Amino acid sequence: DADVTQTPRNRITKTGKRIMLECSQTKGHDRMYWYRQDPGLGLRLIYYSFDVKDINKGEISDGYSVSRQAQAKFSLSLESAIPNQTALYFCATSFLGNTGELFFGEGSRLTVL
Amino acid sequence: AQSVAQPEDQVNVAEGNPLTVKCTYSVSGNPYLFWYVQYPNRGLQFLLKYITGDNLVKGSYGFEAEFNKSQTSFHLKKPSALVSDSALYFCAVREGGNNRLAFGKGNQVVVIP
Repeated sequence: DADVTQTPRNRITKTGKRIMLECSQTKGHDRMYWYRQDPGLGLRLIYYSFDVKDINKGEISDGYSVSRQAQAKFSLSLESAIPNQTALYFCATSFLGNTGELFFGEGSRLTVL
Repeated sequence: AQSVAQPEDQVNVAEGNPLTVKCTYSVSGNPYLFWYVQYPNRGLQFLLKYITGDNLVKGSYGFEAEFNKSQTSFHLKKPSALVSDSALYFCAVREGGNNRLAFGKGNQVVVIP
């Protein structure tokens, strides 16, 4: 089983719908991140959390929200999806004291029509 | 703000030939530098990192990278490329004391049999 699990892996939805992407990890890491990948743009940070009570905006947080339900769970929500949120979304983890190495999930491909 | 540049969109190399993927960075303090690889339909996997010490760092799958402070570069290298090395490669940088990674746009590597 994967250490960082994302659900769903693929989702097609319509403009205006609410979407939640979920991430769970069995690595015991305290830090969790949501990234978005677009061709030619690399990965951009949406939100990150260093523990259950700590939530921080990344470089492209507009239109997104997150919830850290437990140390092992970090969800990303699109309250009202729009087509330019079509992308590949990655959850990642790391831990305090780590020099920056991230551990990634397999990705969630979201298409907004 | 920290940033990385990967100047080439795609690198084509014949199997058995040396492979180089270029990366330059910009930070205001000491850089922590990383390379990640992404195979099709997979999440990113950590390859190697430079934190301090020897400028030549060795990583997974026979890859190595050379840190050059005067040129602000961290090029990824492999002496003899394999077809299985065909993937998307990302360079990333973090400033010491800053907990966030900035990724480059990625380089597609195609190893031709």
